[in-house]
Amino acid sequence: GAGVSQSPRYKVAKRGQDVALRCDPISGHVSLFWYQQALGQGPEFLTYFQNEAQLDKSGLPSDRFFAERPEGSVSTLKIQRTQQEDSAVYLCASSLGREGGLGIGETQYFGPGTRLLVL
Amino acid sequence: RKEVEQDPGPFNVPEGATVAFNCTYSNSASQSFFWYRQDCRKEPKLLMSVYSSGNEDGRFTAQLNRASQYISLLIRDSKLSDSATYLCVVMTTEYGNKLVFGAGTILRVKS
Repeated sequence: GAGVSQSPRYKVAKRGQDVALRCDPISGHVSLFWYQQALGQGPEFLTYFQNEAQLDKSGLPSDRFFAERPEGSVSTLKIQRTQQEDSAVYLCASSLGREGGLGIGETQYFGPGTRLLVL
Repeated sequence: RKEVEQDPGPFNVPEGATVAFNCTYSNSASQSFFWYRQDCRKEPKLLMSVYSSGNEDGRFTAQLNRASQYISLLIRDSKLSDSATYLCVVMTTEYGNKLVFGAGTILRVKS
């Protein structure tokens, strides 16, 4: 079946511009995660949804970052007034999720990422 | 101090060699452990989960030592196609089920 897809794959933005990054998780996956990966580093957690509920946004670096998943499927990560330090790969992952559970040990499947460059 | 620490490498090894990577984690409440593989400019992909009893998948063996908070990955008979970055990953339920990644260890297998 189809995996996690993300669009756009590449985005160049001028400093101060707003950007929106889209994630289509695997169909039927309840849990959705956003991660940020800087060059030479491992991915770092940004935020987590279970269905449409944003249960954890502790990793969002500033109030310029906003994520939503209004119908519990597609998610959008929005970055307002982009800065050069926002340049990174933004990865989306989904997992099956279990109702009422934390999905301990569940495999997270990653999309190809959006490579954002802020000039 | 980062929550998950790995030697960044690179490890340069000849084909057929055995290579081992180590990783330490700081949160004793961590409950699930993984090794992910990431090829250049690609997304991370799960290589294997890691259990206290140790587990093996073909040429790959993973071990977990909870007392020392230490995770290892052993690759036997290295292939050129094993060249990648290997990410040590920990999941801690007190933070939901987000993954905490190490910075990765670079492996280069040469003919």
